[in-house]
Amino acid sequence: GESVGLHLPTLSVQEGDNSIINCAYSNSASDYFIWYKQESGKGPQFIIDIRSNMDKRQGQRVTVLLNKTVKHLSLQIAATQPGDSAVYFCAENAGGTSYGKLTFGQGTILTVHP
Amino acid sequence: GAGVSQSPRYKVAKRGQDVALRCDPISGHVSLFWYQQALGQGPEFLTYFQNEAQLDKSGLPSDRFFAERPEGSVSTLKIQRTQQEDSAVYLCASSRQRGSPLHFGNGTRLTVT
Repeated sequence: GESVGLHLPTLSVQEGDNSIINCAYSNSASDYFIWYKQESGKGPQFIIDIRSNMDKRQGQRVTVLLNKTVKHLSLQIAATQPGDSAVYFCAENAGGTSYGKLTFGQGTILTVHP
Repeated sequence: GAGVSQSPRYKVAKRGQDVALRCDPISGHVSLFWYQQALGQGPEFLTYFQNEAQLDKSGLPSDRFFAERPEGSVSTLKIQRTQQEDSAVYLCASSRQRGSPLHFGNGTRLTVT
């Protein structure tokens, strides 16, 4: 079946560095992509989303890049802080009748050292 | 102005017992979703409601799983005759309308012994 996956299961950075978390997807019908942050004992927290008609979207300290040619998604976090330490999931949605039926990757553990 | 609220936070059930998990979505959110998250994995879709209508239940793993949202707000996920493989975190999410981001609750951690 088609799925979303992550290249790196863990990422360790120093406080103040920029972080990049990558994600590969295989469902060419996906038209909506989301990044979630999940801290221990909590539910996934929405960070940023992007639709397939865009290749870049910026938020506060975060940027999502979408490369449809190679089916790749990335999340960039600027000036990473210890509070950014969490598991990060990318998720895709094929839209249409499957709205809300997100397919999540396995997650990347981000650890930020002070 | 609270987010999605789920109860109980933790539930321990003996194998064979029935359990009911509750979700209070964000006020005014039309869409409601249930997901299951196994340890160390990403969430997996179970079912989706638009108001009181269950539009997609393709992710429910067996007929022991049943979800309802009778008045289009609070939802209950019921699992009958629980099995050990049902042990997971059950997440509820809601969204304001079709196409809006999903906002998740903190989940109910179910442990079946």
